Amino acid sequence: EAQVTQNPRYLITVTGKKLTVTCSQNMNHEYMSWYRQDPGLGLRQIYYSMNVEVTDKGDVPEGYKVSRKEKRNFPLILESPSPNQTSLYFCASSQILGQPGYTFGSGTRLTVV
Amino acid sequence: SQKIEQNSEALNIQEGKTATLTCNYTNYSPAYLQWYRQDPGRGPVFLLLIRENEKEKRKERLKVTFDTTLKQSLFHITASQPADSATYLCALDLDNNNDMRFGAGTRLTVKP
Repeated sequence: EAQVTQNPRYLITVTGKKLTVTCSQNMNHEYMSWYRQDPGLGLRQIYYSMNVEVTDKGDVPEGYKVSRKEKRNFPLILESPSPNQTSLYFCASSQILGQPGYTFGSGTRLTVV
Repeated sequence: SQKIEQNSEALNIQEGKTATLTCNYTNYSPAYLQWYRQDPGRGPVFLLLIRENEKEKRKERLKVTFDTTLKQSLFHITASQPADSATYLCALDLDNNNDMRFGAGTRLTVKP
């Protein structure tokens, strides 16, 4: 089944404790992206990647890092999480051109206390 | 500044009626626009894409229009059902490279 898999689904952590949210897709998509979703603000892009070893900042990159060492994986790293990073996070993937829409993961609900 | 606005946070309609959702944008010239459905706690699911040279697109009970002069897209669900209740998001392509920006969404509730 074609899908984007995120882990973990839920995570509660403490301020300053480094964490990684994994994202993997099995569709051979070039493009991958991370979004956070907050009430009233909608989906905001954190980082995106057009292909392996090519990443770029989205609208809200502060406090986040990403890497794209392999085509299928695009982990999101929070080096020193803070309470304002409490949010619902989504990974998405698509072909660069021709694929009509994004395929989203099921989401990771992160709470930083 | 660039902005994507969806007409209202919430829309309530009666089963069987047509739901119409609006997506307005400023300072963009998107090559295409997408609509997604999102259920609570789940990732958005792609529904339809409409390109700048297309006036209208249909898929089953869904119809999307795209007016690049008005900078507006309308999303219609005909013969609505309670199962259509969800949040609907519009998304615009910024630079014709699949780099999408999303509106905040409209929560649709269809009452039996």
